[in-house]
Amino acid sequence: DAKTTQPNSMESNEEEPVHLPCNHSTISGTDYIHWYRQLPSQGPEYVIHGLTSNVNNRMASLAIAEDRKSSTLILHRATLRDAAVYYCILRALNSGGSNYKLTFGKGTLLTVNP
Amino acid sequence: DTGVSQDPRHKITKRGQNVTFRCDPISEHNRLYWYRQTLGQGPEFLTYFQNEAQLEKSRLLSDRFSAERPKGSFSTLEIQRTEQGDSAMYLCASSFPSGRLHEQYFGPGTRLTVT
Repeated sequence: DAKTTQPNSMESNEEEPVHLPCNHSTISGTDYIHWYRQLPSQGPEYVIHGLTSNVNNRMASLAIAEDRKSSTLILHRATLRDAAVYYCILRALNSGGSNYKLTFGKGTLLTVNP
Repeated sequence: DTGVSQDPRHKITKRGQNVTFRCDPISEHNRLYWYRQTLGQGPEFLTYFQNEAQLEKSRLLSDRFSAERPKGSFSTLEIQRTEQGDSAMYLCASSFPSGRLHEQYFGPGTRLTVT
């Protein structure tokens, strides 16, 4: 699996935007970029995914660099409930069905200050 | 939709004992996954079922580990002769093949402590 690199930790203030970076310089053309987050004492939860174009959903936005070698998860207004570990994961799209598993790194621990 | 549930949430056992965990996936999901997470690390893939068929086992899954999914519904993960190194959070996830990307829904996990 192609590897991702994320900062170990980041800090933000409540109600301010947060930009969480992810580098994936070895990404292949069929790799989708997924973000999951894990709140304290919970299992991971899906946040957003994208391939080439920027994506928005109710939780966050995903900005993908033109060369796809990096991406940024954007939380537009951080709340205390957004404090979590955020994982950037690459998943290959193929017809063989082997894109089933998620390969997690250590992720970025986001702290949100009141 | 009640989400993925796991039982028990916590388990403390003595080294050498056998333990069994249960996972109930979201009802319409035909894919089920087990992951293990140790402190400070991201989850690591253990095994994967499509319906009742176990299609892949990670090398992390030693011979002491066995997983089943009878009738393609709930799944169990058994660890025999537990060792202290088995202490971890065991996470279950499920998904269905809608579209192409199989978003996974995780349960709250079972935290195992081996003393």
